[in-house]
Amino acid sequence: GQNIDQPTEMTATEGAIVQINCTYQTSGFNGLFWYQQHAGEAPTFLSYNVLDGLEEKGRFSSFLSRSKGYSYLLLKELQMKDSASYLCAVMDSNYQLIWGAGTKLIIKP
Amino acid sequence: NAGVTQTPKFRVLKTGQSMTLLCAQDMNHEYMYWYRQDPGMGLRLIHYSVGEGTTAKGEVPDGYNVSRLKKQNFLLGLESAAPSQTSVYFCASSTGQGASGELFFGEGSRLTVL
Repeated sequence: GQNIDQPTEMTATEGAIVQINCTYQTSGFNGLFWYQQHAGEAPTFLSYNVLDGLEEKGRFSSFLSRSKGYSYLLLKELQMKDSASYLCAVMDSNYQLIWGAGTKLIIKP
Repeated sequence: NAGVTQTPKFRVLKTGQSMTLLCAQDMNHEYMYWYRQDPGMGLRLIHYSVGEGTTAKGEVPDGYNVSRLKKQNFLLGLESAAPSQTSVYFCASSTGQGASGELFFGEGSRLTVL
């Protein structure tokens, strides 16, 4: 079966760095997405990786290793507004998105 | 731009009642999707459409029907609501697949079935 694993909840301190991991087992691979979802709101797109390596976008970076079935989202200089759930999703060989359950990130002052 | 708009935002139904959720997008996207989101679970695809007049089943289609009569609209129907359909429903759209598969979501519709 297809599976996406990510931690249920993480806590970090304002101004610090946090890494949210995502491991996957899917039927084929056509890219990995990260989305941010604030409580009670819709998910919004953060990043897309299809090749191995690190993609940097401001305070957020996303890394992919296809051989290991692994990705992480790195958030630097954490701000209170970064408190949200972070969703990992993999596009399989049929171009269907398989979603993880999300990681709830709590930022403390 | 409005992006993706869902109506209604909230609805309470009794078991056995029917209802329709409306999704409208103004980005001229070909692909549209209906997801449900439940606590502790990833988003699950109910139905999707790759263009006007087309629909296809997703991961959890039972108990739902859809129609895409116009490119900008994607309707999700519940013919006989059940408590198991209590959930938050998200509509999304995209230009295509792969790198252009970035989804644009509506604000969600919170449905409670008593």
